[in-house]
Amino acid sequence: DSGVTQTPKHLITATGQRVTLRCSPRSGDLSVYWYQQSLDQGLQFLIQYYNGEERAKGNILERFSAQQFPDLHSELNLSSLELGDSALYFCASSPHENTGELFFGEGSRLTVL
Amino acid sequence: EDQVTQSPEALRLQEGESSSLNCSYTVSGLRGLFWYRQDPGKGPEFLFTLYSAGEEKEKERLKATLTKKESFLHITAPKPEDSATYLCAVQAMDTGRRALTFGSGTRLQVQP
Repeated sequence: DSGVTQTPKHLITATGQRVTLRCSPRSGDLSVYWYQQSLDQGLQFLIQYYNGEERAKGNILERFSAQQFPDLHSELNLSSLELGDSALYFCASSPHENTGELFFGEGSRLTVL
Repeated sequence: EDQVTQSPEALRLQEGESSSLNCSYTVSGLRGLFWYRQDPGKGPEFLFTLYSAGEEKEKERLKATLTKKESFLHITAPKPEDSATYLCAVQAMDTGRRALTFGSGTRLQVQP
């Protein structure tokens, strides 16, 4: 158990809908990262927050947004969903801003029908 | 653009049959190279960090090594519980590119 909690574990929705994925980092970790993992793309970095502020952005679509709240939990919002958004979405946390030693949650599996 | 290529894509070993996984990388200024293990339906689990060519790290049956262009994950006398996907990732020195770039992984299956 990495200590990172993600909800929901599974989510099935329709095209055009909006969903919110939630992540609670390990106790004391200030950095939260969001990654997308699909069969053809591997693990792709979406966005990083550190202590409530956005720190780095990957190839995150404009339809996607995220935030980190004062209690350090984070939410990833996915809107106008398309079939191609079906994937595993992982949250990871770390105590520092620039480390590569990340602690991943078990992921949220999103299926868009 | 940072790139990570892992080979082979899949590897099947008999229990006790040692082998190596390869991770070739291209990055302008390497800050660190990372190995992760991912079990089916789970998130990646951190294994090792390597910072400079010549560095080696060991953990149980795994040993990771680093050169200027590639890293190897050596698995000695593997057991069925070593079956997993092994992911390699690089982090650049450039503060604007600190996010990890992952390879596609090597799916390892160890048969009893």
